Amino acid sequence: NAGVTQTPKFQVLKTGQSMTLQCAQDMNHEYMSWYRQDPGMGLRLIHYSVGAGITDQGEVPNGYNVSRSTTEDFPLRLLSAAPSQTSVYFCASSSGPGNEAFFGQGTRLTVV
Amino acid sequence: RKEVEQDPGPFNVPEGATVAFNCTYSNSASQSFFWYRQDCRKEPKLLMSVYSSGNEDGRFTAQLNRASQYISLLIRDSKLSDSATYLCVVKASWGKLQFGAGTQVVVTP
Repeated sequence: NAGVTQTPKFQVLKTGQSMTLQCAQDMNHEYMSWYRQDPGMGLRLIHYSVGAGITDQGEVPNGYNVSRSTTEDFPLRLLSAAPSQTSVYFCASSSGPGNEAFFGQGTRLTVV
Repeated sequence: RKEVEQDPGPFNVPEGATVAFNCTYSNSASQSFFWYRQDCRKEPKLLMSVYSSGNEDGRFTAQLNRASQYISLLIRDSKLSDSATYLCVVKASWGKLQFGAGTQVVVTP
């Protein structure tokens, strides 16, 4: 049972570099989302998608882009990495926006 | 003020004891409530939903108090494997999930 697969698990970037975090799910869920988790704070929604071709901003979208060309994949792009983007990133999918969320294993990103 | 607030703990609990902790939420129009469990350096996973009348799942009991805008989680007969961070999650009126920062529980032998 793959569920939600995120890659990479760890990444170190230099300030100004760009990269893409990959997320794929095999549960045929329409709703997918990206969160970041920082110490002392709850998971914060970056971007979400309610289906292929449809994306929208969450509460902390600045510095990130997403696209949803297929139901399965929802990549997150960091355009120009900044130290403030050092965090743990989780991708999640669910059958609906307020339903049980299934999370990927997370990506630990450090920007130096 | 945070939308969902939790005591970060840690709650240090002897094995076999009972531990309980709360979570408060600010939006009175919140629709659904959940507890997620997150092990160290792992992804969150759904522990249980919280229903208006309260509900149990084995050794875990969840309660909702809409008047005072809090939910609670009680763990009976604590096991070492219950050591984790418990995330309070609220479905806001606008449909998205809002996460608390978590309460850490440490069960000791």
